[in-house]
Amino acid sequence: SAVISQKPSRDICQRGTSLTIQCQVDSQVTMMFWYRQQPGQSLTLIATANQGSEATYESGFVIDKFPISRPNLTFSTLTVSNMSPEDSSIYLCSVEAGGRAGEQYFGPGTRLTVT
Amino acid sequence: QKEVEQNSGPLSVPEGAIASLNCTYSDRGSQSFFWYRQYSGKSPELIMSIYSNGDKEDGRFTAQLNKASQYVSLLIRDSQPSDSATYLCAVNLESEKLTFGTGTRLTIIP
Repeated sequence: SAVISQKPSRDICQRGTSLTIQCQVDSQVTMMFWYRQQPGQSLTLIATANQGSEATYESGFVIDKFPISRPNLTFSTLTVSNMSPEDSSIYLCSVEAGGRAGEQYFGPGTRLTVT
Repeated sequence: QKEVEQNSGPLSVPEGAIASLNCTYSDRGSQSFFWYRQYSGKSPELIMSIYSNGDKEDGRFTAQLNKASQYVSLLIRDSQPSDSATYLCAVNLESEKLTFGTGTRLTIIP
């Protein structure tokens, strides 16, 4: 497994602004993932971030709205840009650290409220 | 369309009984299957993974996979109040991505 931290743990933001969420892992990992979980809903994958390459976005998510950085093997950021109330959600990063595809470990999440 | 379906519940089970959670998936190419537990206000936690047909046991948890019928289940024996949570089924194709079901909310009644 891996120990994952996220900052901030929660934030309240005004519409039209941007928020950058940080994800730090205690070991080097190849794959990092960013998810969104809206209230009472399941997890939706936003993008996959590999170190040294552009993030791969899922259908419905675009780089202009959710730019991602992955500068090294232990760190990634997700920015939620030009926010609207519909962006209110929990944002989770996860890593694949179990040695087998699909065994993911999640950070504690960032609870974002947009007013 | 790739889908993972679960009964959203809530599923109520008396303490000490067996809780049975089910999941079906649409893509026959799915390779790996996972159960995640999510307590209210917390992030998901991996509790079981299964890769081949049959049963896999880990303590009070048993995962069952039937690829021909495209379903995977999770049994929790001797259910405890601490098992009350939402259980998410997740499926992996050939890539590293997971597709999650909507989750089943389980309540263990003391």
